[in-house]
Amino acid sequence: NAGVTQTPKFRVLKTGQSMTLLCAQDMNHEYMYWYRQDPGMGLRLIHYSVGEGTTAKGEVPDGYNVSRLKKQNFLLGLESAAPSQTSVYFCASSSRSGGYQPQHFGDGTRLSIL
Amino acid sequence: QKEVEQDPGPLSVPEGAIVSLNCTYSNSAFQYFMWYRQYSRKGPELLMYTYSSGNKEDGRFTAQVDKSSKYISLFIRDSQPSDSATYLCAWGTGGGNKLTFGTGTQLKVEL
Repeated sequence: NAGVTQTPKFRVLKTGQSMTLLCAQDMNHEYMYWYRQDPGMGLRLIHYSVGEGTTAKGEVPDGYNVSRLKKQNFLLGLESAAPSQTSVYFCASSSRSGGYQPQHFGDGTRLSIL
Repeated sequence: QKEVEQDPGPLSVPEGAIVSLNCTYSNSAFQYFMWYRQYSRKGPELLMYTYSSGNKEDGRFTAQVDKSSKYISLFIRDSQPSDSATYLCAWGTGGGNKLTFGTGTQLKVEL
């Protein structure tokens, strides 16, 4: 059972380039999330999805787009990368069962924008 | 005022010490209280969570919540070098299962 898998693990981009980060989960979870983690800022929610075909903005959505075409996948896109988007990106997923359900995280994608 | 305030650390303790990690929050809507542990270059993993004020114990770990003071703590007894990690407090309000995280406290347990 792989849990949450993120690809790629590392990437270096030039300013203005585009790329897509892929998150895949094999736990049949309804909810999926994208966070960024920066020193001194903690984890901040970028976008999230409560089901296939749905997405919503989080705390810091500007400069990012997402898609959830399949239940098991959640894609994060950077259309025109900026140095301010240098960060570690984490994907998470959780069940929709009654009450609060813990979020399960991948091991992150380390992204540098030059 | 930030929604969540967490002691910045880093915190260095000798093996076997009792560790106390703390967070305060300002949003009264928070319903769920969690501690995540994050090892270097890994994703956060859930350590403990609770819905109510009081203490919850799991092995060497105890989570304490005081809703009236908007304060949560994590105690680690008999700390081990394997406990060296960053500890993140987090809160949820229920809608969309979203969480608000603290900035994390880096803990190092030395032999």
